[in-house]
Amino acid sequence: DAGITQSPRYKITETGRQVTLMCHQTWSHSYMFWYRQDLGHGLRLIYYSAAADITDKGEVPDGYVVSRSKTENFPLTLESATRSQTSVYFCASSDWGTYNEQFFGPGTRLTVL
Amino acid sequence: GQQLNQSPQSMFIQEGEDVSMNCTSSSIFNTWLWYKQDPGEGPVLLIALYKAGELTSNGRLTAQFGITRKDSFLNISASIPSDVGIYFCAGQLDSGAGSYQLTFGKGTKLSVIP
Repeated sequence: DAGITQSPRYKITETGRQVTLMCHQTWSHSYMFWYRQDLGHGLRLIYYSAAADITDKGEVPDGYVVSRSKTENFPLTLESATRSQTSVYFCASSDWGTYNEQFFGPGTRLTVL
Repeated sequence: GQQLNQSPQSMFIQEGEDVSMNCTSSSIFNTWLWYKQDPGEGPVLLIALYKAGELTSNGRLTAQFGITRKDSFLNISASIPSDVGIYFCAGQLDSGAGSYQLTFGKGTKLSVIP
């Protein structure tokens, strides 16, 4: 009964390094989403996926890459981390019939030094 | 992108008081949702609204989808200490391709004084 999990929960990295944040859901939800949460900006959508092998950009996709080879996993990669990518990252998922009702993971707090 | 104006930004209330917060937009939304976020956790869905004028309750929480489809309201009755947290509104505009995106308000931080 894990629901949606994210790993790691905390990550410190250096500018220029590649970082991958993992997201796994056990509900077999069709839709998965990645958000970042920053003070003053609220939650902003980075990328989303409607199904395996189908991904699309959200509001702030620059500097991020996603893939979805399996329905249950939706990793987010920062190809070359920058300080502006210091944030809390949330993964969410929703079912086909109720795609608006998104269920969020616990978040990953990423610090880029 | 779309903008959602959520107010108030923060509020301090006495335990037992009722709370009201709202979210407005200059655009029409087809769906309104309300989430609560506790410190160090992800947002949790409280209520989803799909029809203009709809009034939906979840325990002591009641939310309404505004008739103009440009606003939504959340009320909490008889607040208790565990109501503390940040409440977010979110809306979705069905606009064809790429319409799976939610736009979030910046949140209302609620503090309850015992």
